Order: sequence, then C-alpha cells, then structure tokens
Amino acid sequence: GESVGLHLPTLSVQEGDNSIINCAYSNSASDYFIWYKQESGKGPQFIIDIRSNMDKRQGQRVTVLLNKTVKHLSLQIAATQPGDSAVYFCAENTGPGGGATNKLIFGTGTLLAVQP
Amino acid sequence: EPEVTQTPSHQVTQMGQEVILRCVPISNHLYFYWYRQILGQKVEFLVSFYNNEISEKSEIFDDQFSVERPDGSNFTLKIRSTKLEDSAMYFCASSSLEKLFFGSGTQLSVL
Repeated sequence: GESVGLHLPTLSVQEGDNSIINCAYSNSASDYFIWYKQESGKGPQFIIDIRSNMDKRQGQRVTVLLNKTVKHLSLQIAATQPGDSAVYFCAENTGPGGGATNKLIFGTGTLLAVQP
Repeated sequence: EPEVTQTPSHQVTQMGQEVILRCVPISNHLYFYWYRQILGQKVEFLVSFYNNEISEKSEIFDDQFSVERPDGSNFTLKIRSTKLEDSAMYFCASSSLEKLFFGSGTQLSVL
C-alpha cells in the first residue's frame, strides 16, 4: 500500500550545525513531494517542494534531495537555529495532479531539537 | 502574507452533538481540503473540494461528515453526531495547484 515513513523520529543537533532529515516513500508513481514544518499548536507550514523530474532543489537554508531509485527524500537545513526546532513532515502527492485531486500522504514526522 | 484562518481554535463538545468547524481559505485559491491529526499521529487526509463538490474523500470521511462552501469565502466541516474518536486537531488547507497552505487548526475534544 501507499506509505511515507521517516527513519528517525527524533534528531538532536547543535545550533549552527547542519541537519538532515530523511524520509522513505513507497508509491513510485508519486510525482510531487513537500516538506512541512509543524511547530507546537500550529498547522503544517510549507518549507520546500520538489517534483519527480528533479533530484535537488534549494531554498533559503534548506535543500531537498530526491532519490527516485531508492524512493528516498531528505531535507537538509544549513546552520540550524533554535527557531528550526519543530516536527518535520514529508508528504507525497498521490493524486494525478492539477490541484483537484491533491491527496497528500504524510509521514509520521521527525522532531528536530536544536541545542543552543 | 495571505493565510488560511480557522475558527474556533478549540472546540469542546459532548458525544453525539453536532459541530461545525469553520475555515476561510486564501482568497484566490480554488481547491480546499480538510485534514486531521490525532494526538501523536500523522496528519491524515479527509476530503478535497473543488468547484462546489467533493473531489475525493478518505474512508474516514463517512456519512457523519459533510463539507460546504456556503458563500464565497467560508469552507466548513460538519460532524453530525460526534464520537469520542473524533477528538483530534482538524486542519483546513487551500491551494491554487499542488502547494497546500494549512490553517492553524481547530482542536476538537469530544467528551
């Protein structure tokens, strides 16, 4: 069946270090992936997305890598800051696209704890 | 920056009562969604809505659930007869295409 899972439920890093959060997905037909950040008591906040025709995409301090061969997704956060502490979810869009059939399947989440 | 707003932020209800959760999506978005998150679990898809009709729903979204866009700005989720297991954080989301933007959620507690 379809599933998106995370390898590490908790990641603790020192402030200033780089963080890498990993995610495995099982639906090889998924063509769009998103990383969300969720702070306590808030909704998922969009961080970065990537399409299946790309291997890498960079944003501000964040990079998403997609390895379709092994169905693996990762989020890299450069120079991690205390404000980055949150739960990070990967999500795959299992619908055929175009908006109306968007159906995001979320992973279980990784808690990123940034130590000062 | 435009955002999805949800009201109320917390809702406490008795089992068997009806609840309506309200959302104001981002104004130029055409696609609307409800997701929920039971404490400590993943965010789960409930329903998507486009062009005034449901485009897809999950098996969670049974006959007790309904959605409505009563005017040009609001998008509601109604649970007709709440059960204890409906206790969760309910998130509304909207999108113009595939990038979904989520509200801060309504924490529903069924007693």
